[in-house]
Amino acid sequence: DSGVTQTPKHLITATGQRVTLRCSPRSGDLSVYWYQQSLDQGLQFLIQYYNGEERAKGNILERFSAQQFPDLHSELNLSSLELGDSALYFCASSADLIGNYGYTFGSGTRLTVV
Amino acid sequence: DAKTTQPPSMDCAEGRAANLPCNHSTISGNEYVYWYRQIHSQGPQYIIHGLKNNETNEMASLIITEDRKSSTLILPHATLRDTAVYYCIVRVTSSNTGKLIFGQGTTLQVKP
Repeated sequence: DSGVTQTPKHLITATGQRVTLRCSPRSGDLSVYWYQQSLDQGLQFLIQYYNGEERAKGNILERFSAQQFPDLHSELNLSSLELGDSALYFCASSADLIGNYGYTFGSGTRLTVV
Repeated sequence: DAKTTQPPSMDCAEGRAANLPCNHSTISGNEYVYWYRQIHSQGPQYIIHGLKNNETNEMASLIITEDRKSSTLILPHATLRDTAVYYCIVRVTSSNTGKLIFGQGTTLQVKP
């Protein structure tokens, strides 16, 4: 157990639907990062939150949004799902804004859009 | 962002040292080199990181050249469990964010 908890582990949904992925960071970590890994692709950075505020954005689609709550857990919302959104979604956390003390990754949520 | 270049794949015999190279010729002076690995579809696992000095921990050693333009991750006695994709990452610090930019990595196959 890395200390970063992602739920659910697996999700199957239909095109056009909306889903929410949840991430609980390691205790004490203030930053949360979301990454997408499509089949046979590398990890693509989506977005970073630090202490409730958005701090960096990658190639995140407009259909995707995220937030970090006061208890520091984060949710990634994916809407109007398409087949191409099928992927592994990883959450990572770090203690500070720039990762001075390292990063911890969760075990991921596997999203399948049918 | 500093880019990294890694060979797409490498083989290593079980019990031998695995040396994984990485080029990062545009690295800035305050950017760290991180190594992560991903076994099958698990979450990436931290291995080691360094700035300019060589580093060693219980998993691996990191050798960074004096000009910092390249580095080598060394797994001293590779086992079958070390078969994974290894990512060399330069941590972005210039924009006040800790995001890690992953490349395609090196797929290391450890063979019996």
